[in-house]
This record gives sequence, C-alpha cells and structure tokens, in this order.
Amino acid sequence: EIVLTQSPGTLSLSPGERATLSCWASQRVSNNYLAWYQQTPGRAPRLLIYAASSRATGIPDRFSGAGSETDFTLTISRLEPEDFAVYYCQQYGSFPYTFGQGTKLEIK
Amino acid sequence: EVHLVESGGGLVKPGGSLRLSCTASGFSFSSYNMNWVRQAPGKGLEWVSSISSSGSFVKYPDSAEGRFTISRDNAKNLVYLEVNSLRAEDTAVYYCARDTDSWSGHFSFWGLGTLVTVSS
Repeated sequence: EIVLTQSPGTLSLSPGERATLSCWASQRVSNNYLAWYQQTPGRAPRLLIYAASSRATGIPDRFSGAGSETDFTLTISRLEPEDFAVYYCQQYGSFPYTFGQGTKLEIK
Repeated sequence: EVHLVESGGGLVKPGGSLRLSCTASGFSFSSYNMNWVRQAPGKGLEWVSSISSSGSFVKYPDSAEGRFTISRDNAKNLVYLEVNSLRAEDTAVYYCARDTDSWSGHFSFWGLGTLVTVSS
C-alpha cells in the first residue's frame, strides 16, 4: 500500500498570497497518477488536479500541480477567499487507492 | 447534469449490517466505474471500494475485504455497498463517486453522502 504524507498539516496565509502544499508517497506512484481534491466543511470533495499536473474541468488556472514519482506539489498562485479549505492528495496508480491525511489551508 | 444521491445510512449496532444505495442520473451509467469513499467524523478520506462499468471487476482495501460488497444494477442506474460486521470505526459519511472518465481512478462527481453510525 502506498502511504501519502501531506505537509504541512495546517497552512495559515492571507488572501492574495501564494500557497504551496506537498504530498510525499512512500513508493513511486505509477504513471504519476496523483490527484488533488479540495473539501470545504459539510461538502463533498472537489477534484482539482489529476495525473499530477492536469487541471480538472472548470478549475481556475491559479491552481497548478507538479511533481513526479514520490514528490508532488499543489500550488495556488493567488489565494481567493473561497480557497480556504482542506486539500487531499490521492494516488490511483495502484490498488488500494490511498489518500493523504489532508492539509488545512486557513486564513491568517 | 451528473447527479449522485446516496441513501441507506443510519444508526446500527456493532456487528450489524446495512445496504447503502447510490442513485445515478445525468450520464450513461453503464459506461463508468463507480466507487465508494468514506470519511469518519473530523477525519480524512478513505477509499473503500470500486466496481467496473460492467460489474465484473471489484476492488477493496484490506480494511473492507470480506466485510464490504459493492455491486451495481445498470438497468436501474444504481450502485450498492453492503456493509457487514460493522464496527465503531466504520462510523463515517459514505460517499458515492464516479470516475472522471470510464476508468480513470480519480473522481469528478460525488454525492452528498450518507451517514453510517455504529453504536450500541
């Protein structure tokens, strides 16, 4: 099983700032099949990024993903108020699919 | 518009069983893999099962193997998750999710979830 570790656990920033979230995999993620999701309280997750760097349909271009093999990042170039949420990475290169424990992005 | 609606959650005693349902609409249901993902209160996401478009291929994590069974009825646009021998740690919101593409492994569409509470 591939264990995903996200860092930091909590990130405190202000609107307009740049956010960089990390996701490390315990083993190489096959084909860089790594996705990122955003979740706000009481709502279902929303797919942001798949295949490490491809934006999902309708996702603003301030969200970008990068990385390969075991090290991945999600960058939000300029934070909007609606971006403050919890972010999860997920690997789907091998079963069992696994998620990271999440990074909470909070308003400073 | 893609729509997924879960039902069947509730309060169940330890050792009990439930069958969760997910009703799908707005897309060609029989063309897509479907999945269940759960989230314990205040915790992160955990994938619990996937089923191929035809229903011939299913997968589970070790934590669900032998206790959870995923199935689907393509004629009725329904996907099910039968959960048995429930434990307190199975308490969670259970989400139904659709693969982005026919088999992609990432999930673009999610239901609102159904809460399962395991308690005596």
